[in-house]
Amino acid sequence: AQSVTQLDSQVPVFEEAPVELRCNYSSSVSVYLFWYVQYPNQGLQLLLKYLSGSTLVKGINGFEAEFNKSQTSFHLRKPSVHISDTAEYFCAVSPYSSASKIIFGSGTRLSIRP
Amino acid sequence: DARVTQTPRHKVTEMGQEVTMRCQPILGHNTVFWYRQTMMQGLELLAYFRNRAPLDDSGMPKDRFSAEMPDATLATLKIQPSEPRDSAVYFCASGLGTSGGGGTGELFFGEGSRLTVL
Repeated sequence: AQSVTQLDSQVPVFEEAPVELRCNYSSSVSVYLFWYVQYPNQGLQLLLKYLSGSTLVKGINGFEAEFNKSQTSFHLRKPSVHISDTAEYFCAVSPYSSASKIIFGSGTRLSIRP
Repeated sequence: DARVTQTPRHKVTEMGQEVTMRCQPILGHNTVFWYRQTMMQGLELLAYFRNRAPLDDSGMPKDRFSAEMPDATLATLKIQPSEPRDSAVYFCASGLGTSGGGGTGELFFGEGSRLTVL
């Protein structure tokens, strides 16, 4: 079985500051990894995904994430945040070659202060 | 631009009434999920379909909730009778499963149906 842990339920940062949202996962099989973003009053949309290859993945809006297999982590980073990045961010894993479903973390609410 | 379509976007109803929410998944997707989102509980999986067959509905209150896929272009979530605690945003998502579906498990979400039960 798979599980996803997002340790920080809320992360407040000042505008133009860097941010890192943490995600750790547990799985006995290889997985695909995702970060989704949910803006207020909207559905979730894909921010970026790791399927294979380079462990540093770049997504939309200047976000990137690094897959670390030894630490089973997939932390999301942005060097300089903007007010428009205020949203909830969900980390998710999906197992290879299995009928199992995608598993979401509990989410991290990113609030940007001017 | 392919997208998941949900109706209604907003629904206000009184306790005891039947509520039906509909979802049109992206054409060609073989998996459909129903999620419920509240401030207190976050994102909860209610039901999961693969090739129109229900694979997991363990997150759904069986006595009042039911989910079906009458055909590949329509998924429905029904609550009967509705209760105030059912007030939430209900999301439908579709995708290509990893097992033989040619996908990665990535999901595409609809805009949600905001339900208020008075």
